[in-house]
Amino acid sequence: QKEVEQNSGPLSVPEGAIASLNCTYSDRGSQSFFWYRQYSGKSPELIMFIYSNGDKEDGRFTAQLNKASQYVSLLIRDSQPSDSATYLCAVNIQAGGTSYGKLTFGQGTILTVHP
Amino acid sequence: SAVISQKPSRDICQRGTSLTIQCQVDSQVTMMFWYRQQPGQSLTLIATANQGSEATYESGFVIDKFPISRPNLTFSTLTVSNMSPEDSSIYLCSVELGGRETQYFGPGTRLLVL
Repeated sequence: QKEVEQNSGPLSVPEGAIASLNCTYSDRGSQSFFWYRQYSGKSPELIMFIYSNGDKEDGRFTAQLNKASQYVSLLIRDSQPSDSATYLCAVNIQAGGTSYGKLTFGQGTILTVHP
Repeated sequence: SAVISQKPSRDICQRGTSLTIQCQVDSQVTMMFWYRQQPGQSLTLIATANQGSEATYESGFVIDKFPISRPNLTFSTLTVSNMSPEDSSIYLCSVELGGRETQYFGPGTRLLVL
């Protein structure tokens, strides 16, 4: 089982719709969860982080965390063509009880928002 | 966040040579990291660059191939040694800011080895 797994995609949604991106992780001790957006040819850009169970909203983005199910998701409301990018889920996977700040990334989901 | 720069932004190198990539951040940070992103793939952590001590390498990465320096809290270098075409990748540095493993990435160095 991969440590961080994302739905493979690609995901295509019409402009104005809600895009739902999902991520599962293997380490029950993980405490920090991140979503990065990566445009083609660019480096990853942090768009959301969440530490506690529940929802966290920032503009059109909502991150949802369920530690019992080891599941984190990202919802993008009113999707725009400019949201078309690869979305990377990252989790701090701990080794031997400490994480040393390490993040493990999922393989990414390609999102296309079509007009 | 912080301003993170990398040099060079891209390079084309011959096999068997070495390339040193620089990462500069505009504020002092404790944690700096080096990642590799192979074509069409996600990010893989190479090592944690520790200030004043040897870098901490992940499984599959060794110091002889990827020596790292961290002379101060704003600067680090990654050298890709004795390159082969398999080393063609994007190399990214990141810094932790704000705690809780929150990392921000530099613009990356795109390396092609012929």
